[in-house]
Amino acid sequence: NAGVTQTPKFRVLKTGQSMTLLCAQDMNHEYMYWYRQDPGMGLRLIHYSVGEGTTAKGEVPDGYNVSRLKKQNFLLGLESAAPSQTSVYFCASSFTDGNTEAFFGQGTRLTVV
Amino acid sequence: RKEVEQDPGPFNVPEGATVAFNCTYSNSASQSFFWYRQDCRKEPKLLMSVYSSGNEDGRFTAQLNRASQYISLLIRDSKLSDSATYLCVVTLEDYKLSFGAGTTVTVRA
Repeated sequence: NAGVTQTPKFRVLKTGQSMTLLCAQDMNHEYMYWYRQDPGMGLRLIHYSVGEGTTAKGEVPDGYNVSRLKKQNFLLGLESAAPSQTSVYFCASSFTDGNTEAFFGQGTRLTVV
Repeated sequence: RKEVEQDPGPFNVPEGATVAFNCTYSNSASQSFFWYRQDCRKEPKLLMSVYSSGNEDGRFTAQLNRASQYISLLIRDSKLSDSATYLCVVTLEDYKLSFGAGTTVTVRA
């Protein structure tokens, strides 16, 4: 009964380093999302995917790349981390019709020093 | 202009009180509406969907006003466990979810 699983849960990066955040869902959802949450800003959409092999930009895509090679996985990459990318990252998934619940992973707390 | 705007609060209320707050959305083509709850340092979880005719789930009542483009959440008989941040979520025409920044509610004993 995993739902949405994010790895890692915590990470500290140095400026300029790269990393990949993994999101995996076992609910056969079509849509997957990556959000970042900063104090007072709410959740802002970074990238999203409407199905395997497709990705699209959200509200704040700069500095991030994504891939959805398999339906159950959605990867978020930071090629050259910057302190401004210090945030809590949430992955979510939902069915396509938009009228059903979105399920979230537990979040990844990333600090870039 | 942000697509979804909420009063950040905080709303600080005693146990047993009623608290209500609104959320406004800018896109008249928005299709679905939800309230999510987020506890400190946790992931958001669905509290309830919001239907055109308004709906109730126990002590929680949600209303939708399409003409004025806002939704509301009312919590009756507040419990300490209701302390959380409540996120307004709107589904846009392409089924993307758009989140408000959240309204913080603190219920005190």
